[in-house]
Parts: sequence; structure tokens; C-alpha cells
Amino acid sequence: AQSVTQPDIHITVSEGASLELRCNYSYGATPYLFWYVQSPGQGLQLLLKYFSGDTLVQGIKGFEAEFKRSQSSFNLRKPSVHWSDAAEYFCAVGNEGNTPLVFGKGTRLSVIA
Amino acid sequence: DAGVIQSPRHEVTEMGQEVTLRCKPISGHDYLFWYRQTMMRGLELLIYFNNNVPIDDSGMPEDRFSAKMPNASFSTLKIQPSEPRDSAVYFCASRGLVNTEAFFGQGTRLTVV
Repeated sequence: AQSVTQPDIHITVSEGASLELRCNYSYGATPYLFWYVQSPGQGLQLLLKYFSGDTLVQGIKGFEAEFKRSQSSFNLRKPSVHWSDAAEYFCAVGNEGNTPLVFGKGTRLSVIA
Repeated sequence: DAGVIQSPRHEVTEMGQEVTLRCKPISGHDYLFWYRQTMMRGLELLIYFNNNVPIDDSGMPEDRFSAKMPNASFSTLKIQPSEPRDSAVYFCASRGLVNTEAFFGQGTRLTVV
């Protein structure tokens, strides 16, 4: 069965600092990987996705993520965090069979001045 | 397209009452998913449909929960009778046939008192 682990429940970073959110997945075949962001009171918005090809993927709002098969990881990064990035971030895994996405428990990001 | 549309955005009801949540998926999408989000359990898949047919309802917590998709543009999630532990945010998401990401609605925040 597929599963996603986001080891950090809550992270606080200073505005302008770099960010890395961790995601580890468990899946037997090549996974489809996603990062979503949820602002308070809102639905989930896709930041980026990986299906195949280049293992470094670029997303919206200056985010990027790198797929590392050997580590079963898909960590999200941003070189300089803005206050508006404060939100909940979810990593998700799917597959080519169109089965539903499986989500991690999320990481809440706080940004301080 | 206006995206996935859910109604109502907020629902407050008394224990024992029937609650109906509504979802309009993105036109042309073949898959529709209902998720429930709570602090304790994160995002849980309740049920999903393919071409209006329920495929997997193993996530529906109890017989009090039921979901229908009478046509490609409308789905409902019903709770009868509702209980305080059903309080959560319920999300509807839709996805196209070709492997893509899921698009989420804004969610319905349900409070059962």
C-alpha cells in the first residue's frame, strides 16, 4: 500500500530564509508525486508534480522539489521564504492507475519577521 | 472553468439531523473524490467515483454516511443522523482521465453540536 510520511508537523522560518519540507513515500513502483498547499480556510492548491523525467521539478510561487528514488523522498524547497508562504503543505503520492492520491499528514509552516 | 464547487461552505447542525454536502466537479473530469480533514487524522479518502460509478467506499466511516453521483456534474455526501464526531472539513476533488493532479474545492466546514 502507498503511504506518505511528512516527519515535521510544524516548522518556523524567518522571512527571507531558505526552506526545505521533507516528504518520504512508500510505493513499490514509480510513484507520481505531488505537493499541495492549503491556506487557512481554503482548499488545496497544487504547487508542483512529478510523473517522470527530470527529477528536479519547478512549481508555482518559486517552489521546487527533487525526487530521489534511492531515498524514497520528494522534498520541497524554496530559496527565500515570504510571509505569504505561511500555510499547511501536503505531500501526496499516486500512480499511473488513477487510484486516489494518498496524502501525508501535512507540515504547517510559520514565517516570522 | 470555475473549478470544483462545493456548497455550503459552512454548516452548523444539531446532533441527529441530516446533513447534505454538495459538489460540482470540473467539467470533463472522470473521477470525483470525497475527503474528510480533521486535526487528528489529516486528509482521509471517504469514497471515489469513476464516470459516476462508486469505485471504492471503504473509507466511509459508517452506514450513516452515503454518497451519490447521479450525473457527471453533481455529487452529494449525506450524513444521517449526524454526530458531533462528524465535525470536520469535507473536501470534494476531481481529476481527469489522463493522469493529472486532483483539483480541490474550497471545502465544507461541518460543525455538529
